[in-house]
Amino acid sequence: DGGITQSPKYLFRKEGQNVTLSCEQNLNHDAMYWYRQDPGQGLRLIYYSQIVNDFQKGDIAEGYSVSREKKESFPLTVTSAQKNPTAFYLCASSAPEQPGNTIYFGEGSWLTVV
Amino acid sequence: AQSVSQHNHHVILSEAASLELGCNYSYGGTVNLFWYVQYPGQHLQLLLKYFSGDPLVKGIKGFEAEFIKSKFSFNLRKPSVQWSDTAEYFCAASLNTGGFKTIFGAGTRLFVKA
Repeated sequence: DGGITQSPKYLFRKEGQNVTLSCEQNLNHDAMYWYRQDPGQGLRLIYYSQIVNDFQKGDIAEGYSVSREKKESFPLTVTSAQKNPTAFYLCASSAPEQPGNTIYFGEGSWLTVV
Repeated sequence: AQSVSQHNHHVILSEAASLELGCNYSYGGTVNLFWYVQYPGQHLQLLLKYFSGDPLVKGIKGFEAEFIKSKFSFNLRKPSVQWSDTAEYFCAASLNTGGFKTIFGAGTRLFVKA
């Protein structure tokens, strides 16, 4: 089945460590996104990529980094510079050239910093 | 600044009551508009979307939304809610900024009393 796979689903990290969240999609979508979901704040855009080898900062990019070396993959690294990394992270993809540009979401990754 | 605002963070209704959730966006260019729903324990799924044509769009489970361009609004409505509509609802706007960037509102938590 086509979809978006995020891993790991749950991750614990010690303060000061970097961690990378994986996101793979087999929908042949050009665009991919990372959002952070916090209670009462909705989904906030971290980074997005419209095409391979290109990506843009979203609203809360500080302390995060991404790469887009392949169309199918858009990993997110949460660095030690991120002040409040404990959150639920959602990866998404879309096909902007299609009318409506619906976003499809993965199941999310829970990151807890201890 | 580009933003999506949802007016109500928490809504409590009794079954059979009518629902209207407000959503306004701030962007002067071309937008596609969406409502997503997140049921307890599940991931985000598309409820309905608008990208062109009839400004009144109908989605799944009896929901509808009306795009009013002059008011930059895309309010979600349902004439008679059910207990199973208890969920968090997110309004989103996909902005044509050269590519497409999708931003979300903070979400509205709806609780329907049986």
